[in-house]
Amino acid sequence: QKEVEQNSGPLSVPEGAIASLNCTYSDRGSQSFFWYRQYSGKSPELIMSIYSNGDKEDGRFTAQLNKASQYVSLLIRDSQPSDSATYLCAVKGGYNKLIFGAGTRLAVHP
Amino acid sequence: KAGVTQTPRYLIKTRGQQVTLSCSPISGHRSVSWYQQTPGQGLQFLFEYFSETQRNKGNFPGRFSGRQFSNSRSEMNVSTLELGDSALYLCASSFYEQETQYFGPGTRLLVL
Repeated sequence: QKEVEQNSGPLSVPEGAIASLNCTYSDRGSQSFFWYRQYSGKSPELIMSIYSNGDKEDGRFTAQLNKASQYVSLLIRDSQPSDSATYLCAVKGGYNKLIFGAGTRLAVHP
Repeated sequence: KAGVTQTPRYLIKTRGQQVTLSCSPISGHRSVSWYQQTPGQGLQFLFEYFSETQRNKGNFPGRFSGRQFSNSRSEMNVSTLELGDSALYLCASSFYEQETQYFGPGTRLLVL
């Protein structure tokens, strides 16, 4: 079993819709979770971090964490074509070691 | 504040050679982590340095090594290059005891 699992996609949504990205992790002791966005040929850029159970909102983005179910999700409201990218879920394991999922490709079509 | 910088941005080497990549963290950041990204394996952790000490190491062979200088700049070295070392090498920095890591643009290495 991989440590961090994501559906590779592609996830295709129409412009203006809500995109829902999911991630599960295996280490029940994990405390810190991150979502990064990576455009093709670019480096990952941080979207959100989340540490506590529940929802965390930042603009059009909402991260959700359920430690009991070992599940993290990212919702993107009012999706735009510019949101088309690969979304990487990462879990912190040890000194500044991020364990990444394989990423979910999101395609937002007009 | 300037972001994380990495040099060189692109590199072509041949098998058996060695390579050194450089990373300058965001000003004030003392932790530098290195990652390798390939289409097959995704993003994988190589190692992390803080105050010139390696605190964490990923599951890579000893051909991969690194160091950090007193100004927090870091280098990683790959010796005896193999074709499978072709990848995007990413450096990320974070502030002391804060967990958010910010990535540099990466060095794309092609081994022929």
